[in-house]
Amino acid sequence: NFMLTQPHSLSESPGKTVTISCTRSSGSIDSSFVQWYQQRPGSAPTTVIYEDSHRPSGVPDRFSGSIDTSSNSASLTISGLKTEDAADYYCQSYESLNRGVFGGGTKLTVL
Amino acid sequence: QVQLVESGGGVVQPGESLRLSCAASGFTFSDYGMHWVRQAPGKGLEWVAVAWYDGSIEYYADSMKGRFSISRDNSKNTLYLQMNSLTVDDTAVYYCARDNASGSYFYFDYWGRGTLVTVSS
Repeated sequence: NFMLTQPHSLSESPGKTVTISCTRSSGSIDSSFVQWYQQRPGSAPTTVIYEDSHRPSGVPDRFSGSIDTSSNSASLTISGLKTEDAADYYCQSYESLNRGVFGGGTKLTVL
Repeated sequence: QVQLVESGGGVVQPGESLRLSCAASGFTFSDYGMHWVRQAPGKGLEWVAVAWYDGSIEYYADSMKGRFSISRDNSKNTLYLQMNSLTVDDTAVYYCARDNASGSYFYFDYWGRGTLVTVSS
């Protein structure tokens, strides 16, 4: 069984760009799609990226996703940071289509 | 629009059982796989279980196998989670989430607001 590891917290200023990493512990990062969810305090998660790099309708193009096989990791990049982007972000993937796996989450502070 | 509304949470003692429900609307419930995902207070998300579109296939997180049972009633557009032998570690908000596919593609495209389960003596 693999795990997904994210930084516990990140902080950046409005207008800047931040990248959140998600490293897979075993198996190839490109063997199963990665999703990214945003969760604001007291709310349910919402999808910001699915299938590694696709944005659902309504998600601004400031959000982008990618994978890097050399580091066996996925990344969520948010450019032009806004204070409303402050939230917890979770990467998520799956194993053999019978087990869901979440990263531990990254608390993003924008100030 | 898609709506998922969980219910059935509450306070129970260790060793007791609880059944959660998730009422779905705004889409053809019987076309989609459905999941439960939980979040302990101040902690991250943890996948619990999935039921395929017709209920024929179920998968569970290892720590929930044998204690939790997921089921669905497509005639009522409702997903269930039967939780037995509850421990304090099961204290969490339990979310119902729709899979983007009929089986277990593990892309959770819609989420409910969650229901809180507290296990305490």
